[in-house]
Amino acid sequence: DTEVTQTPKHLVMGMTNKKSLKCEQHMGHRAMYWYKQKAKKPPELMFVYSYEKLSINESVPSRFSPECPNSSLLNLHLHALQPEDSALYLCASSLRLAGGLPHYEQYFGPGTRLTVT
Amino acid sequence: QKEVEQNSGPLSVPEGAIASLNCTYSDRVSQSFFWYRQYSGKSPELIMSIYSNGDKEDGRFTAQLNKASQYVSLLIRDSQPSDSATYLCAVKNYGNNRLAFGKGNQVVVIP
Repeated sequence: DTEVTQTPKHLVMGMTNKKSLKCEQHMGHRAMYWYKQKAKKPPELMFVYSYEKLSINESVPSRFSPECPNSSLLNLHLHALQPEDSALYLCASSLRLAGGLPHYEQYFGPGTRLTVT
Repeated sequence: QKEVEQNSGPLSVPEGAIASLNCTYSDRVSQSFFWYRQYSGKSPELIMSIYSNGDKEDGRFTAQLNKASQYVSLLIRDSQPSDSATYLCAVKNYGNNRLAFGKGNQVVVIP
């Protein structure tokens, strides 16, 4: 099973709202990611959690706040977003151990289509 | 120089033909290489991973890796209309869990 789930599928929010995106994986992966993707562009990395600790923050504005409650869950808290933040937000997971060796295949969830009005 | 480059423009291939996609990378110590397929409006789907020099085949897909020349390619044999999508090349950086993506190549299979 290579499933990563994300909720909600679609989200419309005003610039003063607070909302959260949720992501879950049950593959035993030890790294989880948030990406932002605009139309006709590749995914743009935002955050990486490795072993439940934030290991990479790609200079993301503080209106985006990640949280990793446990090894299977990843949240992205949104506050005071701008219309230019409208995009597809993708969660992904990777890093499993097999035969004592790390495997880095990264699997994406279906994404949350976010519209900021 | 960008970390991962996919320079070809949209690729149109007749149904049943071979589609060939190329990707070059700049970090010589990169060790893990991936191809993703992304349909319009959907998320990227991992279709191939390759770690060693040479060819790796999975169904109609073949990935080729040449570390000395720092390129990785993807061949799609017997192309089908369902293969019409954007294909993203991704390379894992050494020392962290970050993937560097190319800009993607759109493939259109013409029935």
